Amino acid sequence: EAQVTQNPRYLITVTGKKLTVTCSQNMNHEYMSWYRQDPGLGLRQIYYSMNVEVTDKGDVPEGYKVSRKEKRNFPLILESPSPNQTSLYFCATLGGRSGGLQFFGPGTRLTVL
Amino acid sequence: GESVGLHLPTLSVQEGDNSIINCAYSNSASDYFIWYKQESGKGPQFIIDIRSNMDKRQGQRVTVLLNKTVKHLSLQIAATQPGDSAVYFCAEVTGNQFYFGTGTSLTVIP
Repeated sequence: EAQVTQNPRYLITVTGKKLTVTCSQNMNHEYMSWYRQDPGLGLRQIYYSMNVEVTDKGDVPEGYKVSRKEKRNFPLILESPSPNQTSLYFCATLGGRSGGLQFFGPGTRLTVL
Repeated sequence: GESVGLHLPTLSVQEGDNSIINCAYSNSASDYFIWYKQESGKGPQFIIDIRSNMDKRQGQRVTVLLNKTVKHLSLQIAATQPGDSAVYFCAEVTGNQFYFGTGTSLTVIP
């Protein structure tokens, strides 16, 4: 079954404690992306990756890091989380054909106290 | 950044009626546009997309219309069903970046 998985699904942490949210896909897609979703603001792109070792900033990259060492994984790293990073995070991949066929993961709800 | 907006935050329709969800965008250079559906507790799900050189595209029970003159995008859902109740997002794609609207909540009344 084609899928995008994220872990953890829920996380409560404290300010300044480094954390990583993992994202993995089994569709061999080259393009992967991270978004955060906040009420009234919709989905905003944090980082995206066109392929292994290629990452680019999205609309709201401040406070986040990513890496793409292998095609299937695209972890999101918060080196020093702050309360304004409390949000719902989605990882997504883009299908091989041109167009918008993105597959989204189930989401990670992060609370930073 | 891009500005992608929706005209109405909520929409209620009777089961069996057609639904129309609207979206305004700001970047005339966007490559294509996409509609997503998001059910409660789930990630967004792709519905249909349309390239910027097209005016209309049809899928199963859905039609997307693109009016580049006024930078307007709409999603039409035919014979709306209770399972269509969700939040619908439009997005525009410029280069490799995606810009989403804030969403319209569609409620289908049985």
